[in-house]
Formats: sequence, structure tokens, C-alpha cells
Amino acid sequence: DVGLVESGGGLVQPGGSLRLSCAASGFTFNKYAMTWVRQAPGKGLEWVSAIDETGDASGYADSVKGRFTISRDNSKNTVFLQMNTLGTEDTAVYYCARVKDGIPWERPLDNWGQGTQVTVS
Amino acid sequence: IRMTQSPSSLSASVGERVTLTCRASQIIDTDLQWYQQKPGKVPTLLIFDTSNLATGVPSRFSGSRSGPEFSLSITNVQPEDVATYFCQQTYSSPLTFGGGTKVEIK
Repeated sequence: DVGLVESGGGLVQPGGSLRLSCAASGFTFNKYAMTWVRQAPGKGLEWVSAIDETGDASGYADSVKGRFTISRDNSKNTVFLQMNTLGTEDTAVYYCARVKDGIPWERPLDNWGQGTQVTVS
Repeated sequence: IRMTQSPSSLSASVGERVTLTCRASQIIDTDLQWYQQKPGKVPTLLIFDTSNLATGVPSRFSGSRSGPEFSLSITNVQPEDVATYFCQQTYSSPLTFGGGTKVEIK
């Protein structure tokens, strides 16, 4: 079974940084693009960032461009989201999700992790 | 690309047919995905590429397109269909979601 487990969330002060991790299992990680999606309390889903299967290409939402960096370590089956200059508007549950069929990242998300809470206050 | 969903919420009786709509601010071909998020749960893929059911999705769900408007229909609504439904365009980055439609049972 596909497994995605996020970690690294927590409480951080405005202007601070956090690094989220997503450990993947149950599939050939280096053949799949990966995505981060967030959901603020009581709000809808917001696509945050995606990275291709090699780590050579990535994309970002306008709201996080220049502040967040996505990366991956295929030797450890893990994708990361480095979040800098955090603001209260970044408070959300952050989900890691696998891109259906692997590539490109402009595809639906067929497996999601349980999410990790990030609170900026 | 801005995605607009309507209505924002609806209430239906068990067995009724409901239709949710999603409109894109520009052409997205058939690169439209639907997700279901049950209360307190993680989103799951429901329909991909406008009209294809994801694995395990009951056949009472269907997706279609008419010009710039995309629809998700649920025939014979069941209590377990209580959820918020989100559309997402995967035509071009940054990928964007609609605001969601919350479906409740009367």
C-alpha cells in the first residue's frame, strides 16, 4: 500500500522557519512527482508546490514563491518543504500528495498523507 | 487560473440527484479533477480528467463538461456522500482549486 507520512509541523512565531518532511513508502518514489497542498482552518484546499521525479524542476503558488522551497531525496524516499518568513496566513494543515501516473506534476493527486499542522502565532 | 465552484453548499434528500459545477477562468481542456473530503478526513481523488472515476469510486458519481463549465453529478445521493467537493485544474501551473461545495443530507 502507498504510504505518505508528514512530519515537521508545529508552532512557530511570525517570521520564523519550518522544514516539513514527507516519507513515502509502497511505491517507486523516484518515478513520481510529488506535491504539497495546504488547508487553512475551516477553509478550502490550496496547492502550494510540486516537484518532478528527479528534483530538477519545481513549481510554486504565488502566495509562497520566494519563501518556500521544495526538494526531495530519492535515496531516502522523502520530499521536503522548507518554509521561511512564515506569516499567520501560512497557518494550515499541510498535506503531502503523490501525483497520479508519476509525471508530469500537472496531474491529479491520487494518494494523500494525513497532514501536519503548522501554526504561525 | 481561477476556479469557481457553485453552489457553495447544498442539502439533498437521500436518493436525490445533485449536480455541482466548476468553472475555469480560462481554457483548461479536460484537465479538471474532483476531490471528495469527508468531515475530518483527508481529501481523496474522486474523478480525474473531467470524467474518469478514480479507483473504488461508486458509479453513482459522474463528471462531465459543457464548454467552460464542468459538472460533478451524484445520482441516488447516499448518507456517506456527505462531504465537501473540490475541483482542481491541472492545465497549467500554479495549479488551483475551487472553493468547494459542501453537500449535506436533509
